[in-house]
Amino acid sequence: RKEVEQDPGPFNVPEGATVAFNCTYSNSASQSFFWYRQDCRKEPKLLMSVYSSGNEDGRFTAQLNRASQYISLLIRDSKLSDSATYLCVVKGRGSTLGRLYFGRGTQLTVWP
Amino acid sequence: GAVVSQHPSWVICKSGTSVKIECRSLDFQATTMFWYRQFPKQSLMLMATSNEGSKATYEQGVEKDKFLINHASLTLSTLTVTSAHPEDSSFYICRTTTGTSGVGGTDTQYFGPGTRLTVL
Repeated sequence: RKEVEQDPGPFNVPEGATVAFNCTYSNSASQSFFWYRQDCRKEPKLLMSVYSSGNEDGRFTAQLNRASQYISLLIRDSKLSDSATYLCVVKGRGSTLGRLYFGRGTQLTVWP
Repeated sequence: GAVVSQHPSWVICKSGTSVKIECRSLDFQATTMFWYRQFPKQSLMLMATSNEGSKATYEQGVEKDKFLINHASLTLSTLTVTSAHPEDSSFYICRTTTGTSGVGGTDTQYFGPGTRLTVL
């Protein structure tokens, strides 16, 4: 079983739509959680960290459910510039401290 | 702020040749460097972890004699793909961190911009 599982999509939505991505992770002892954005042929860039209480950054809202080992990202009022691949990333702890586990990414296309 | 440069950004080579990819940390010391490979529509897969001055630790299934990693200084780590074949064509990315990784740690991740390797 993979450490991080994501629906690869693609998600194709019109501008202004709300879209949600989900992710599950297998290691209940995982330490930290993130959403990264990756544009085509570029390196991943941190979009936001995910906290247990849930957190919001402008149009982006991230949620974490440790009991279900489930992470979500909600994008409201989608913009054309949001088109990218969104990676769910989990950081290990203990013997895997510092190691990042990447989901395969969910592809989003926002059309005018 | 801290930056990681990666060179080359794009390379095409003939089958059987070797390609060296460099990752440099600018304005900070990269004690540990993580090397990843990413195939189209796939996740970043960790290939190996290198620490300055010591041998790299390779992930299961990654041939250490094929993917040579050198981390001789705190600002430079290199990955050499030896005797490259078309199946080695991929996007290679390095990553390093600053700060502390423990619980409550404040480490920050820095990725190189990636190298797209095409082997003909």
